[in-house]
Amino acid sequence: AQKVTQAQTEISVVEKEDVTLDCVYETRDTTYYLFWYKQPPSGELVFLIRRNSFDEQNEISGRYSWNFQKSTSSFNFTITASQVVDSAVYFCALSEARRAAGNKLTFGGGTRVLVKP
Amino acid sequence: DAMVIQNPRYQVTQFGKPVTLSCSQTLNHNVMYWYQQKSSQAPKLLFHYYDKDFNNEADTPDNFQSRRPNTSFCFLDIRSPGLGDAAMYLCATSRDLTSGGYEQYFGPGTRLTVT
Repeated sequence: AQKVTQAQTEISVVEKEDVTLDCVYETRDTTYYLFWYKQPPSGELVFLIRRNSFDEQNEISGRYSWNFQKSTSSFNFTITASQVVDSAVYFCALSEARRAAGNKLTFGGGTRVLVKP
Repeated sequence: DAMVIQNPRYQVTQFGKPVTLSCSQTLNHNVMYWYQQKSSQAPKLLFHYYDKDFNNEADTPDNFQSRRPNTSFCFLDIRSPGLGDAAMYLCATSRDLTSGGYEQYFGPGTRLTVT
């Protein structure tokens, strides 16, 4: 069975501080996909990034960066120089690649990030 | 340029009174999903459609049904809502995996209140 663990339930920082969100996953699949989604107070889940299991290259997009390490089954997310607009709940998710049809996401419990001015 | 639209955004229903939530998409994705998200929890998949093929999750109560009359629209029917069904209901779409679809794109959700 697949499992995603986000050990941090809530993180509070002051604006301009960096914040790192941890994500640890479990799967028996050799091919899988990892995702990060942002859920602001409005409720919509916003897709941020996808990583394939065979691509361990880290990625940077503006103030966001992701560190994927298969050896430790981790896919961590860092927000650099945080801003108030980054306040949201962030979900890490995992999907299997077996299905020929839909793509079931297994979500972690989410980490609430509060950025104070 | 809305891509996944959910109506209504807020729905109040009475205990036991059937309710239907709707979702439409302009992405022409062949897979559509319904999730239930309770307060401070992760979204939980209820079921999904791959084209017209319905795929129910094993732990989805029979009280929840879905219809997909065409590619663009999908409905969630709750036949007899209980207080425990109060939640945010999220619709999502994706292409299928064989077409390179991986990410799911979510609508803004419908917050259901049961009185």
